[in-house]
Amino acid sequence: DIQMTQSPSTVSASLGDRVTITCRASQSISSWLAWYQQKPGKAPKLLIYWASHLESGVPSRFSGSGSGTEFTLTIRSLQPDDFATYYCQEYKTFSLTFGQGTKVEIK
Amino acid sequence: QITLKESGPMLVKPTQTLTLTCTVSGFSLSSTGVSVGWIRQPPGKALEWLALIYWDDDERYNPSLKNRLIITKDTSKNQVVLTMTNVDPVDTATYFCAHQPNRFNWNRPLDGFDYWGQGTLVTVSS
Repeated sequence: DIQMTQSPSTVSASLGDRVTITCRASQSISSWLAWYQQKPGKAPKLLIYWASHLESGVPSRFSGSGSGTEFTLTIRSLQPDDFATYYCQEYKTFSLTFGQGTKVEIK
Repeated sequence: QITLKESGPMLVKPTQTLTLTCTVSGFSLSSTGVSVGWIRQPPGKALEWLALIYWDDDERYNPSLKNRLIITKDTSKNQVVLTMTNVDPVDTATYFCAHQPNRFNWNRPLDGFDYWGQGTLVTVSS
């Protein structure tokens, strides 16, 4: 099975900050990676697919990059609505493994 | 507009069988390339994919849970059903169903999940 490891587990940031979250796969997944945002008590929201493609309706301050085993999600200028937990998910195989999550909290 | 909604028991006893239903609208479960999956999230923990069913009834399962899961669909009722046998307190979680897009018109796409239900919390306890 493919393992997905996110870092950091928590990031404390202020409004307007640039935030970067890393996701590492235990083996190459090419660009078969999605990023989600989840707020408490809500379902996840798809932000990025195919590692770097912005889902329709997602603000352009979100961006994704990477391929193979290392990926990043960047929030260019943190807004109040962005405080949430973020998950990566591989979809190269039928493990469809999620990372353990990164919580973005207010500094 | 695509919507999904989960339904099922809030409480089940250990060793029992859990049956969850996902009722969908805005798309047909029999259209080529359509797929719906189940994902769960224990309280305070990460997401875990459970199962996926395609338009042609092809079923896929998380290898670690494969022996306990069955996913089926009823196209006429617009429903996808997940059955989990021999539940345990560790199966306590919010269970989500979600739609997978078919961006490139493939017969069997794999992608992120773009539409999700609101989730249903299932507690396993005696």
